[in-house]
Amino acid sequence: QVQLQESGPGLVKPSQTLSLSCTVSGGSIRRGDYYWGWIRQHPGKGLEWIGHIHYSGSTYYNPSLKSRVTMSVDTSENQFSLKLNSLTAADTAVYYCARERCSSTSCLDSYYGVDVWGQGTTVTVSS
Amino acid sequence: QSALTQPASVSGSPGQSITISCTGTSSDIGAYNYVSWYQHHPGKAPKLMIYEVGLRPSGVSNRFSGSKSGNTASLTISGLQAEDEADYYCSSYTFGATLFGGGTKLTVL
Repeated sequence: QVQLQESGPGLVKPSQTLSLSCTVSGGSIRRGDYYWGWIRQHPGKGLEWIGHIHYSGSTYYNPSLKSRVTMSVDTSENQFSLKLNSLTAADTAVYYCARERCSSTSCLDSYYGVDVWGQGTTVTVSS
Repeated sequence: QSALTQPASVSGSPGQSITISCTGTSSDIGAYNYVSWYQHHPGKAPKLMIYEVGLRPSGVSNRFSGSKSGNTASLTISGLQAEDEADYYCSSYTFGATLFGGGTKLTVL
């Protein structure tokens, strides 16, 4: 059974860059029908999709965050990562890494939802 | 403001049925059958309950069902149980992005 585990700092200063990693265990990140992504939840608010990446390197980002987001994948380590720059207090949230299952050609051909989630890591942006 | 609109809260008594709505547009929910529903108990990871509008992953109770009409999707939980009390989120995939609703808090009275 595939499991995801986030790692990264719990406290980051404003204007700095947040770097989070997600380790995939129990399965390979090199599956064509999976996209590996990040979802966050602000305190007391709903879920917000940040974006996802395919092991081939194709990325899709939330248009509202696109200018500040970079995702990457390390197939040798079975990990994927998130960088979010120019942080403000509004980026304080619980960050989940997640697996979205799609068809092997495109999520627009078939989309089966987020079937695996990490436990989430709390990130606070404060000086 | 979330991309998809859900009621903030719903409630029901044990054994009853409840329905949570999720309204989008003709570009997302109305365009594709890629609606998913998630159950989220605070402090835990969300859990996929429904995908492709009305399909249940293995292990999810058949008390949970989903449907869609036009730009609105719905999640129905029948035979409410105490453990169903949680936050529920709808989601729709469209044009290279995944949208979420604002979430609905289900209270089992």
